[in-house]
Amino acid sequence: DAGVTQSPTHLIKTRGQQVTLRCSPKSGHDTVSWYQQALGQGPQFIFQYYEEEERQRGNFPDRFSGHQFPNYSSELNVNALLLGDSALYLCASSFGDRGNTIYFGEGSWLTVV
Amino acid sequence: AQSVTQPDIHITVSEGASLELRCNYSYGATPYLFWYVQSPGQGLQLLLKYFSGDTLVQGIKGFEAEFKRSQSSFNLRKPSVHWSDAAEYFCAVGANGPGGYQKVTFGTGTKLQVIP
Repeated sequence: DAGVTQSPTHLIKTRGQQVTLRCSPKSGHDTVSWYQQALGQGPQFIFQYYEEEERQRGNFPDRFSGHQFPNYSSELNVNALLLGDSALYLCASSFGDRGNTIYFGEGSWLTVV
Repeated sequence: AQSVTQPDIHITVSEGASLELRCNYSYGATPYLFWYVQSPGQGLQLLLKYFSGDTLVQGIKGFEAEFKRSQSSFNLRKPSVHWSDAAEYFCAVGANGPGGYQKVTFGTGTKLQVIP
């Protein structure tokens, strides 16, 4: 039973560029959430996708956008990268959109130079 | 809006000693509560969760946590710490946000150091 998988594992981008991160949820899960974890901090909620729609959003600018596909996989896109976007981006999946345990992937390390 | 406070940024314990990591939450109703562990450079692994029922929950790796509504706390405990427990521990609270959809909020984490 595959867990949550994310790609790429590590990447380096230049300020102003755009990045796309990908996530495949755990088998049987249909909800995907994205979190940003800066060094030394706890994960911060970016947004949640369920039934291919963004259901909830945290306090992140519109530069952060996402998508969920019919197979429940998801992408996180960040435009106009800033140095402060450097962080570990975690994808989490769950079954249903409320009241269930979320399971995390290993994350994608993004460094913006 | 819900929030989580982990008052201890860093804790050092001796191997074999007992451990208690503190977590306080703020939420108007009964929340869903979680503890996750993160090793350096890794994702988060679920240790245990509380949704309802028995307020003492058992998790993996010998961890347990107790939900105390009166104190708005969900402290994590382990009777005897192993060197492999050295990691960062995150308490999280899940609650239904606007529109009813679950949102999970994390604390800032407690870094555990285990000394021989």
